[in-house]
Amino acid sequence: NAGVTQTPKFRVLKTGQSMTLLCAQDMNHEYMYWYRQDPGMGLRLIHYSVGEGTTAKGEVPDGYNVSRLKKQNFLLGLESAAPSQTSVYFCASRSSGTAGELFFGEGSRLTVL
Amino acid sequence: AQSVTQPDIHITVSEGASLELRCNYSYGATPYLFWYVQSPGQGLQLLLKYFSGDTLVQGIKGFEAEFKRSQSSFNLRKPSVHWSDAAEYFCAVGPLNNNAGNMLTFGGGTRLMVKP
Repeated sequence: NAGVTQTPKFRVLKTGQSMTLLCAQDMNHEYMYWYRQDPGMGLRLIHYSVGEGTTAKGEVPDGYNVSRLKKQNFLLGLESAAPSQTSVYFCASRSSGTAGELFFGEGSRLTVL
Repeated sequence: AQSVTQPDIHITVSEGASLELRCNYSYGATPYLFWYVQSPGQGLQLLLKYFSGDTLVQGIKGFEAEFKRSQSSFNLRKPSVHWSDAAEYFCAVGPLNNNAGNMLTFGGGTRLMVKP
């Protein structure tokens, strides 16, 4: 039982390059989220999805796009990476019936030079 | 808007000593409150949660937390710390109506170090 899986786990980009982070969950969860973690700032919500085909903006959405074409997958895209997007990115999911209990992936560390 | 403050960025305790991690929240209604733990290189794992009822909640790994509405606090405690408890701890708050997707706000985290 894999839970929430993120790929890749590490990536180095140059400013202006694009990339996509993939999150996959095998728990049939409705809700999925992308957070970024920066020192001293906790986790901040980038985008989220409450179901297949739906997405919504979180607290810090600028510079990111997301898609939820399949229920089990939630993709986070950076169209033109900037050094300010250097961070650790976490995907999380939960079912609609378990309020608040998020299940997290192990994180993806992104460095933008 | 909801917010969470964890006043202590770093805490060091000796193995076997007691531990208390502070969490203060700001929220306009009865909150859902959570503590998560993050071991190095890992994602976050739920330690415990408070929704309603008994204000003292028990979690995994021997942790407990007490909700104090008058102080807007939800402090995490453990009577005897083990070296394996060294990690970063996050407090989080969410809305009562948890059908919304944008539901958890996290504090900045407290990094716990354990001395042998």
